[in-house]
Amino acid sequence: DAKTTQPPSMDCAEGRAANLPCNHSTISGNEYVYWYRQIHSQGPQYIIHGLKNNETNEMASLIITEDRKSSTLILPHATLRDTAVYYCIVRGNTGNQFYFGTGTSLTVIP
Amino acid sequence: DAGVIQSPRHEVTEMGQEVTLRCKLISGHNSLFWYRQTMMRGLELLIYFNNNVPIDDSGMPEDRFSAKMPNASFSTLKIQPSEPRDSAVYFCASTLRQSRTTEAFFGQGTRLTVV
Repeated sequence: DAKTTQPPSMDCAEGRAANLPCNHSTISGNEYVYWYRQIHSQGPQYIIHGLKNNETNEMASLIITEDRKSSTLILPHATLRDTAVYYCIVRGNTGNQFYFGTGTSLTVIP
Repeated sequence: DAGVIQSPRHEVTEMGQEVTLRCKLISGHNSLFWYRQTMMRGLELLIYFNNNVPIDDSGMPEDRFSAKMPNASFSTLKIQPSEPRDSAVYFCASTLRQSRTTEAFFGQGTRLTVV
């Protein structure tokens, strides 16, 4: 599966949109982009996934560039409870597995 | 559904003892993953099952680790003998089917401390 690159940490003001970037320049045509987050030491929580179209659900929006080499997770109105480590995962070619990188530690500031 | 259920939530054991971690899949799910998380190595995939059959165990660190699925809804991860370096949080996760398009749901983890 393609490797992903994320900034190690980001801050966001409470109530503002949090935009978390992810680079996956070696992604291939049938690989999906998944986002998970992990709050403190809880189990990772699924957020959203997509192939090439932008996706939105009750938690977030996923914007994938036209060339699919990068994506952005958007939390439209960040709250303190959104403070977590966010993982971008590319999944597809080698099977059903999820391989986690180091993620982005998002801190929402009051 | 109660989600993926792991037990125990915390386990403290002495070096050399056998440890068994348990995981109950979400009803209807047929793929299972075991992960280990440490500060140094992050989230590592240990083993992946589909329809009770181990598909990829390349992440299992050594022969002291073994995992089974005695039935479609339950799995165990056993460490025998345990060592201090096995101290970590162990997560299991399940998916509805073997597909790139289905998300995995994680349990709350078992925090293992080997002293």
